Amino acid sequence: AQSVSQHNHHVILSEAASLELGCNYSYGGTVNLFWYVQYPGQHLQLLLKYFSGDPLVKGIKGFEAEFIKSKFSFNLRKPSVQWSDTAEYFCAVLYNNNDMRFGAGTRLTVKP
Amino acid sequence: EAQVTQNPRYLITVTGKKLTVTCSQNMNHEYMSWYRQDPGLGLRQIYYSMNVEVTDKGDVPEGYKVSRKEKRNFPLILESPSPNQTSLYFCASSPIATVDNSPLHFGNGTRLTVT
Repeated sequence: AQSVSQHNHHVILSEAASLELGCNYSYGGTVNLFWYVQYPGQHLQLLLKYFSGDPLVKGIKGFEAEFIKSKFSFNLRKPSVQWSDTAEYFCAVLYNNNDMRFGAGTRLTVKP
Repeated sequence: EAQVTQNPRYLITVTGKKLTVTCSQNMNHEYMSWYRQDPGLGLRQIYYSMNVEVTDKGDVPEGYKVSRKEKRNFPLILESPSPNQTSLYFCASSPIATVDNSPLHFGNGTRLTVT
């Protein structure tokens, strides 16, 4: 069965530090890739997505992600985090246009 | 305002007492799905629906039922809830899962506790 792995369960950073959250997925045909963010007490919101074209995608709030097909990876990055980025981040993969799989999530805590 | 509405937001019930969590979207989306979110496990899909009267099992369908009699509504039914169904549940919709540029729109979640 297809699966999505997020390697970091909890990341703690100071403000202005750089962020990289790992996401790897199992092979399963055509994939579309997403990162969602869940702020405390809220529902998931789309951060960015990749369907085709430039493998470096830019999302909201200064986030970006790079799709590396050969490594089955879609890591999320931000050059300088802010306290307001404290949230849980979920990588998601849509396989073959109808099977959406989520990673276990990475909790990010940014210390002011 | 375009949104996915779940009710109730919080629910505490006892083992075996049937319950329904409602989900409604006002965006005319074909695709709707239910997820449960558990610590360390992320979101796991329970059931999904590609259109009216079409439903399919996700990863963890046991103990749940759904129906899609109308496009806008996709209720989640627990016929006989058990404590292992204590979780945070999210409903989501999208225009259609098979078309590009169709991210999921999530509801605000329902926190269910089964004692």
